[in-house]
Amino acid sequence: KQEVTQIPAALSVPEGENLVLNCSFTDSAIYNLQWFRQDPGKGLTSLLLIQSSQREQTSGRLNASLDKSSGRSTLYIAASQPGDSATYLCAVTDLGGSQGNLIFGKGTKLSVKP
Amino acid sequence: DTAVSQTPKYLVTQMGNDKSIKCEQNLGHDTMYWYKQDSKKFLKIMFSYNNKELIINETVPNRFSPKSPDKAHLNLHINSLELGDSAVYFCASSLPNQPQHFGDGTRLSIL
Repeated sequence: KQEVTQIPAALSVPEGENLVLNCSFTDSAIYNLQWFRQDPGKGLTSLLLIQSSQREQTSGRLNASLDKSSGRSTLYIAASQPGDSATYLCAVTDLGGSQGNLIFGKGTKLSVKP
Repeated sequence: DTAVSQTPKYLVTQMGNDKSIKCEQNLGHDTMYWYKQDSKKFLKIMFSYNNKELIINETVPNRFSPKSPDKAHLNLHINSLELGDSAVYFCASSLPNQPQHFGDGTRLSIL
């Protein structure tokens, strides 16, 4: 059974720092991996989607990498800003299940201090 | 203008009641989903509908029944509500193998 783990559970950094969030998954047979952002009282916003054949995706100050064989992904945030404060969720879609079946980690709560 | 909209945003009701949550998407997506986020913020899929057909039904009690009148709507009906049903329920939609778009959630509180 696929399990997704995110480390750390919480992270507090001063504004301007570069930071890395980690995600690991137990079964490498995945369609894709997605990173989401969740603000308090809101739904999830998709940040980056990496297909199983890809190694990384970039969007602005965000860069996500995928190492499928080792079951790991990282989300790199450059020059962090207070507006980046949110919970970041990693999710994978299993090859064994339906293509839509996202399996989530428990998230990393990020706080960027001005 | 909202892509995925859920109503109501908040739902407070008593144990044993029956309630429904509505979801609509205007993105033209083929697949819609319902997720449950528990008190520890853990998100888990409940149902998925592709062109009005159920394609996922995880280990969810049969008190929960999704209803899809058309491709743009996926409503969630819950019978005989229990204390453990208190959670935030999210609706989402997507095209195949593309990012899922989420609604803002419905916070359900059972008294």
